[in-house]
Amino acid sequence: EAQVTQNPRYLITVTGKKLTVTCSQNMNHEYMSWYRQDPGLGLRQIYYSMNVEVTDKGDVPEGYKVSRKEKRNFPLILESPSPNQTSLYFCASSLEGFPNPSDTQYFGPGTRLTVL
Amino acid sequence: AQKITQTQPGMFVQEKEAVTLDCTYDTSDQSYGLFWYKQPSSGEMIFLIYQGSYDEQNATEGRYSLNFQKARKSANLVISASQLGDSAMYFCAMREEGTGFQKLVFGTGTRLLVSP
Repeated sequence: EAQVTQNPRYLITVTGKKLTVTCSQNMNHEYMSWYRQDPGLGLRQIYYSMNVEVTDKGDVPEGYKVSRKEKRNFPLILESPSPNQTSLYFCASSLEGFPNPSDTQYFGPGTRLTVL
Repeated sequence: AQKITQTQPGMFVQEKEAVTLDCTYDTSDQSYGLFWYKQPSSGEMIFLIYQGSYDEQNATEGRYSLNFQKARKSANLVISASQLGDSAMYFCAMREEGTGFQKLVFGTGTRLLVSP
């Protein structure tokens, strides 16, 4: 089944404890992206990647890191989480890495993170 | 200025009726793509429909259609014959040529409740 998977789905942690949320897609998609969703704010893009070893900042990159060493994986790293990073996180992927307005993004199931 | 504006925080509709969810956008680019996503209470993001800025006809996908008025910069989602399963959050999103189509910007969403 074609899908984007995220792990863990739920995570409660404490301030300053490094964590990684994994994202994997099995559709051979070039493009991957991370979003956070907060009440009243919709989804905001954190980072995106057009291809292996190519990543760029979205609108809210502060406090996050990403890497794209393999095409299928795009982990999100919080080196020193803070309570304001408590949110619902989504990973998404789409087929093409080159500019195309119609390239549809498909989303993972989401990871609910709580930072105490 | 907000790139995507969804002015209806919540909408109510009775089963089998049609409903329109509003979306206005702000861009100076000629080429852009508009998307609608559905987020049920289970949390996943489901792609519904896409409209390109150069598409001459309004997009349709089953019971979903997009009322695209380019001059007014609006891309309203029309759901015909509402079903109980349509109760969800609905997000409008846009990709613009100015960002190389690499960023997907979301509105704040509209919560739709379909009653029997």
